[in-house]
Amino acid sequence: ETGVTQSPTHLIKTRGQQVTLRCSSQSGHNTVSWYQQALGQGPQFIFQYYREEENGRGNFPPRFSGLQFPNYSSELNVNALELDDSALYLCASSFGQGGTDTQYFGPGTRLTVL
Amino acid sequence: DQQVKQNSPSLSVQEGRISILNCDYTNSMFDYFLWYKKYPAEGPTFLISISSIKDKNEDGRFTVFLNKSAKHLSLHIVPSQPGDSAVYFCAAWRYQGGKLIFGQGTELSVKP
Repeated sequence: ETGVTQSPTHLIKTRGQQVTLRCSSQSGHNTVSWYQQALGQGPQFIFQYYREEENGRGNFPPRFSGLQFPNYSSELNVNALELDDSALYLCASSFGQGGTDTQYFGPGTRLTVL
Repeated sequence: DQQVKQNSPSLSVQEGRISILNCDYTNSMFDYFLWYKKYPAEGPTFLISISSIKDKNEDGRFTVFLNKSAKHLSLHIVPSQPGDSAVYFCAAWRYQGGKLIFGQGTELSVKP
């Protein structure tokens, strides 16, 4: 059983560019959640996908968008990058959407916006 | 609006002693509380959780206590081991909404 994987590990972009981050869920999981973790802060919920549909969203602007594919892997897309988007982006997979369903996190993608 | 707060950014404890990590929350509607542990260059790992209808949950060396009237929860690690050195996040969850809300984290250092 493979765990949650994310790619790339690190990424450097410039302001105004667009970025796509990828996440492969743990085997058997149908839910993916994305989080942004700024330096010195806890992860902040961006959105969750359950069976390819967006199932909840945090306080992030529409330039943050996502997709979940039939194999339950997922993408996070960020348009018009801003300096404040520099952070660690974490995805977490679970079987189910709830707090009782343990979320398994990937190692994250470190995004730097210059 | 920080609904989940961990007011101690760091904690240092001697090996074998008790580590107590604290967390406060503002929303009385949370249904579950969870603790995650994070090592550098790894994602957070689930440690232990507690339902809002309970006041204590124990798993080996880890015990979580919930005081609903004070909107406070704590994680006790007994005895502390050097391998416990990591950043600990508390998180809260509601059935309605479905998102985990994390605190800022507390970095625990267990010294041999």
